[in-house]
Amino acid sequence: EPEVTQTPSHQVTQMGQEVILRCVPISNHLYFYWYRQILGQKVEFLVSFYNNEISEKSEIFDDQFSVERPDGSNFTLKIRSTKLEDSAMYFCASSEHTAQYFGPGTRLTVL
Amino acid sequence: KNEVEQSPQNLTAQEGEFITINCSYSVGISALHWLQQHPGGGIVSLFMLSSGKKKHGRLIATINIQEKHSSLHITASHPRDSAVYICAREMGNEKLTFGTGTRLTIIP
Repeated sequence: EPEVTQTPSHQVTQMGQEVILRCVPISNHLYFYWYRQILGQKVEFLVSFYNNEISEKSEIFDDQFSVERPDGSNFTLKIRSTKLEDSAMYFCASSEHTAQYFGPGTRLTVL
Repeated sequence: KNEVEQSPQNLTAQEGEFITINCSYSVGISALHWLQQHPGGGIVSLFMLSSGKKKHGRLIATINIQEKHSSLHITASHPRDSAVYICAREMGNEKLTFGTGTRLTIIP
């Protein structure tokens, strides 16, 4: 069964460093999403992406964040200069129509 | 005020019990999702529904559009059902808005 994959599963970085979180959505899906979950809190929407551009972004998704679909398969989230409060689980999701399929997540720890 | 409210926040039950988790939302939807989050953090989609009722194994999800309310039921609960259950609302191909989740613990 096709699935969304994410790498790495765990990323530890120093405050101020850039990180890139990678996702491989399901191949025929057209809509892509990033969500995050700070420990102990609910899942929050970051950004959605369709037709090679951002379709919606939340207040959290400020200038420090960017997304890219560099080739036909990968979908990346870049955080330019990480802050302590960026420590969270980051989930990628993709959908063909409405059902969103989630990746296993990347746990980002900023020290 | 969160757009998606779940109750209870925590639920502990004995193996075999019938479980009900409730979800209310305040604005219109195109679909209501039920998701399961395992202790390791991974999220699995259980149901997506826009009307009526869906069943998968021991899990049943219902939705009442007029009342803006959905329920997730688990029959013959088992310790492996222990997880956080999350409902989330969707409008079209847009973001999901998540509830805070219900932590379910099934005791053998």
